[in-house]
Amino acid sequence: EAQVTQNPRYLITVTGKKLTVTCSQNMNHEYMSWYRQDPGLGLRQIYYSMNVEVTDKGDVPEGYKVSRKEKRNFPLILESPSPNQTSLYFCASSYSGAPNYEQYFGPGTRLTVT
Amino acid sequence: AQKVTQAQTEISVVEKEDVTLDCVYETRDTTYYLFWYKQPPSGELVFLIRRNSFDEQNEISGRYSWNFQKSTSSFNFTITASQVVDSAVYFCALSGAGSYQLTFGKGTKLSVIP
Repeated sequence: EAQVTQNPRYLITVTGKKLTVTCSQNMNHEYMSWYRQDPGLGLRQIYYSMNVEVTDKGDVPEGYKVSRKEKRNFPLILESPSPNQTSLYFCASSYSGAPNYEQYFGPGTRLTVT
Repeated sequence: AQKVTQAQTEISVVEKEDVTLDCVYETRDTTYYLFWYKQPPSGELVFLIRRNSFDEQNEISGRYSWNFQKSTSSFNFTITASQVVDSAVYFCALSGAGSYQLTFGKGTKLSVIP
């Protein structure tokens, strides 16, 4: 089954404790992206990757890191999480970074930072 | 910069009523792509439709229809004879031809009451 998977689905952590949210897709997609969803703000893009070893900032990259060492994986790293990073995170992928391709989303990761 | 405005934060309708979700966009690109995504209560994001800027033909898919009007920069979504299963948050999104980013509106929460 073609899908985007994220782990963990739920995470409660404390301020300053480094964490990684994994994202993997099995569709051989070139493009991958991370979004955060907050009430009243919709989805905002954190980082995106056009291909292996190619990443770029989205609209809200502060406090996050990403890497794309393999085509299928695009982990999101929070080196020192803070409470304002409490949010619902979505990973997405698409066939290409070209804007005409729809993105396929993972199930989401709900992160709480206390 | 590109922007998507969904002015309706929440809408409630009684089952079998028709409902239109508004989407207004801003972009400097002459070629761009518009999308609608559905987020049911279970939380996943589901792609509904893509429309490119040079195709103003309206589209109908079952009970769903989309009205794209470049003159008013709008891409509205109508659900005919709404059903309880249509209850969800609906997001309109925009991607310009020169962009690798998808910009989302803040979403409209639709509640269909039986």
